[in-house]
Amino acid sequence: DVKVTQSSRYLVKRTGEKVFLECVQDMDHENMFWYRQDPGLGLRLIYFSYDVKMKEKGDIPEGYSVSREKKERFSLILESASTNQTSMYLCASSLVQGDGYTFGSGTRLTVV
Amino acid sequence: SQQGEEDPQALSIQEGENATMNCSYKTSINNLQWYRQNSGRGLVHLILIRSNEREKHSGRLRVTLDTSKKSSSLLITASRAADTASYFCVTRDTGTASKLTFGTGTRLQVTL
Repeated sequence: DVKVTQSSRYLVKRTGEKVFLECVQDMDHENMFWYRQDPGLGLRLIYFSYDVKMKEKGDIPEGYSVSREKKERFSLILESASTNQTSMYLCASSLVQGDGYTFGSGTRLTVV
Repeated sequence: SQQGEEDPQALSIQEGENATMNCSYKTSINNLQWYRQNSGRGLVHLILIRSNEREKHSGRLRVTLDTSKKSSSLLITASRAADTASYFCVTRDTGTASKLTFGTGTRLQVTL
């Protein structure tokens, strides 16, 4: 069964810490995405990547960066975590741009 | 920015009944997709309908698309308790190769 795996289900970090969220897919997909999900706001795109070492800003990139050194791995980095980054983070990948996404199970991050 | 708006926001039905969820959107689209999310988990892709299609079926799911009214509906027939989840309407706008825009979802509760 094809998979997108996020390294942590739950994470608690302190304000100011540098946080790494890892995502790995085993489907040889070119496209990978990071979303955050907040009640009442739905899913919002943070960053996406359509190839190794390529990245594009989404709707809310501020406070985040990403890394894609290998095709199967897409990392989201919170340079200095803040409480307003407490959220559910969802990674996804797709074979064809704009077609069906495969999502990971999500990481619920709490910044205290 | 959100595109699809689901209606109703919440729906409660009994097992065996049909569930209908509606989605309206604002701009021209390339395709429209529906996803399911069980509580606290990642999203699962259910079905994709392209702008030149009017109706699509997948098992107990039926999706319709009316591009003149910029609306779509998702029908789940003979619902089961396991269908309890949030359902999201997702659009791929024309001119955006990879970006999908998510609605805020319909929360479906199926009771025994």
